Amino acid sequence: ETGVTQTPRHLVMGMTNKKSLKCEQHLGHNAMYWYKQSAKKPLELMFVYNFKEQTENNSVPSRFSPECPNSSHLFLHLHTLQPEDSALYLCASSQEVTQYGYTFGSGTRLTVV
Amino acid sequence: GEDVEQSLFLSVREGDSSVINCTYTDSSSTYLYWYKQEPGAGLQLLTYIFSNMDMKQDQRLTVLLNKKDKHLSLRIADTQTGDSAIYFCAESGYGGATNKLIFGTGTLLAVQP
Repeated sequence: ETGVTQTPRHLVMGMTNKKSLKCEQHLGHNAMYWYKQSAKKPLELMFVYNFKEQTENNSVPSRFSPECPNSSHLFLHLHTLQPEDSALYLCASSQEVTQYGYTFGSGTRLTVV
Repeated sequence: GEDVEQSLFLSVREGDSSVINCTYTDSSSTYLYWYKQEPGAGLQLLTYIFSNMDMKQDQRLTVLLNKKDKHLSLRIADTQTGDSAIYFCAESGYGGATNKLIFGTGTLLAVQP
C-alpha cells in the first residue's frame, strides 16, 4: 500500500457506457495526476491538478473528464470510449514542489469492448 | 520538447550486476529519478539524484549521472529474481519544476535463475 488508492483495480466497459475511476490520497499532497500507460508506449501525462485547480490538460480527448473536488480525491469520468483507450490508468500525487517525485497508485486496468 | 530514452530490454543472470541506462534532453532538470514497476502494480520510487551530484549509492543501487552527456544509469548489484520488473527513468521537466516528471519508455529487466 503506497498511500495512493485507486478503484476499481479492473474495469471492463462497453463503448456506450459511462464509468468513473477514483483516486484517493491521504499523504497531505497538494498535486495529483492522471497518467495513461499503454503497451510499448511511454507513460502519457493526461491531467495535472495543483491545489484542486487543473493546471495541465495534455490534449486529452473530451471523452475523458477529470474532476478534483479536493486535494485528496481525483476522479476520471469516462464516456463513449474507444477500444484504443484500453490501458492502465495510473494516478499519482506529490507535493507541489518536491525532490521526492510522485507516489503512484496501483492503477486501474481498463478494457473497452 | 523534453525526451527521455531507455533501451527496452535487459536480461541478466541472478547474482550478476545489472546496468540500466537512460538519456534525457532537458539540461535544466533539477532531479532525476528511477522508478520500478512490478507486474500489475503502479510505479514505486527507487531512488533519485540531484543534478549537481555525480553518484548516489543506496544499498545495492548505484546511480551515476553524467550531466554533460545527459546520461543517467542505474546499477543493481547482486541482481535477484525479485528485481525482475520494468524500470523507468524520469526527469523533472520544464525548467526544473519538480512537480512535472517526464518518463522514459521503461526497461524490462529479466533476471534468469
